[in-house]
Amino acid sequence: DTAVSQTPKYLVTQMGNDKSIKCEQNLGHDTMYWYKQDSKKFLKIMFSYNNKELIINETVPNRFSPKSPDKAHLNLHINSLELGDSAVYFCASSHGGTSTDTQYFGPGTRLTVL
Amino acid sequence: AQSVTQLDSQVPVFEEAPVELRCNYSSSVSVYLFWYVQYPNQGLQLLLKYLSGSTLVKGINGFEAEFNKSQTSFHLRKPSVHISDTAEYFCAVKYYGGSQGNLIFGKGTKLSVKP
Repeated sequence: DTAVSQTPKYLVTQMGNDKSIKCEQNLGHDTMYWYKQDSKKFLKIMFSYNNKELIINETVPNRFSPKSPDKAHLNLHINSLELGDSAVYFCASSHGGTSTDTQYFGPGTRLTVL
Repeated sequence: AQSVTQLDSQVPVFEEAPVELRCNYSSSVSVYLFWYVQYPNQGLQLLLKYLSGSTLVKGINGFEAEFNKSQTSFHLRKPSVHISDTAEYFCAVKYYGGSQGNLIFGKGTKLSVKP
């Protein structure tokens, strides 16, 4: 009964490759997010989608492109991977996109770029 | 820029001792405050949150936090910790008028509980 799930859990790839991380939530939430956690455990939001529309797009290279085929899914595509992209990527969701809504996080995807 | 400061990057403590993890935020506007816990190799789990009302908030696993507006703090406390509380703890804030739903995180405090 996983609420927010991500696949894969681990992803090891070479520099220059293109990869995708999938996220699905079964909570019936309208808003989904992607966060990046760097090697020092610092968490920073990357994107936010509400009802399949982009709400937040922080300063992220355009090599990163989120795609939301429906409200329950928000996938992250990364082109031309670089060493600095190595991190743990967390997907999250919330009922709405307002400040009072609690965000529920997935287990994370550890991306290692060699 | 708006920010969240967790003053201690690591807090070692013995089992059954009390613990306080400190969190301060920079803001002149109203905020919503959260504490999340990340157990080793797992995702983030909400411990507790302050939205309004009583400034003392109780969460899961015996944790509580107190919102202090004058000191812009939201410190997390537990009167008696267990080995199983060993984890990374993140304080986070959402600002009124900020980007919709945007959670701003502190850098985390690693709590290590020793027997």
